Amino acid sequence: DARVTQTPRHKVTEMGQEVTMRCQPILGHNTVFWYRQTMMQGLELLAYFRNRAPLDDSGMPKDRFSAEMPDATLATLKIQPSEPRDSAVYFCASGLALRGASYNEQFFGPGTRLTVL
Amino acid sequence: QKEVEQNSGPLSVPEGAIASLNCTYSDRVSQSFFWYRQYSGKSPELIMSIYSNGDKEDGRFTAQLNKASQYVSLLIRDSQPSDSATYLCAVFMNTGFQKLVFGTGTRLLVSP
Repeated sequence: DARVTQTPRHKVTEMGQEVTMRCQPILGHNTVFWYRQTMMQGLELLAYFRNRAPLDDSGMPKDRFSAEMPDATLATLKIQPSEPRDSAVYFCASGLALRGASYNEQFFGPGTRLTVL
Repeated sequence: QKEVEQNSGPLSVPEGAIASLNCTYSDRVSQSFFWYRQYSGKSPELIMSIYSNGDKEDGRFTAQLNKASQYVSLLIRDSQPSDSATYLCAVFMNTGFQKLVFGTGTRLLVSP
């Protein structure tokens, strides 16, 4: 059963604390995406990787957010220090980008619901 | 102009009716278009993809694409209460950093 997994599913923390979210993409997929969803802003792209290399993180506040992909089976999103306005659902998605193709289907994980008090 | 625009709804239809969801996009060179369904508290689920002008049918779902008008739609035939969800239109943008851009979604309510 191929699917994207994310941990933790829920996280409640206090302002100023570090938060780390993890994602395991579907085996064989070479692109990984981090999204944030709020009622006000909808689904926003924070960062994405292709073949583990970061391609675009322009949607991410650089001073507090960082995204890495230490290996093909793990992507991480860190927030340090966290703030109440970071409260949202964070989704990871993965896909298979083939050279010359523009299909780019993405499959989402269950998300991490973050609450910063 | 937003890159991908959808009416937020809610769109209310009775059970058994056809639900029609619409989406417009700004990037003229986009080639890939997707519809995702998102139930409350859940993650987006890919239900349709379309790459060529015309219609693509999959069960009760039909995606329609008109690149000249920069318009993509999703028809749901024989709507069921279980179809009640938010439907997100997503367009793969070929400009700048190539990426999937989502609309804000249309909430569909199917009443029994």
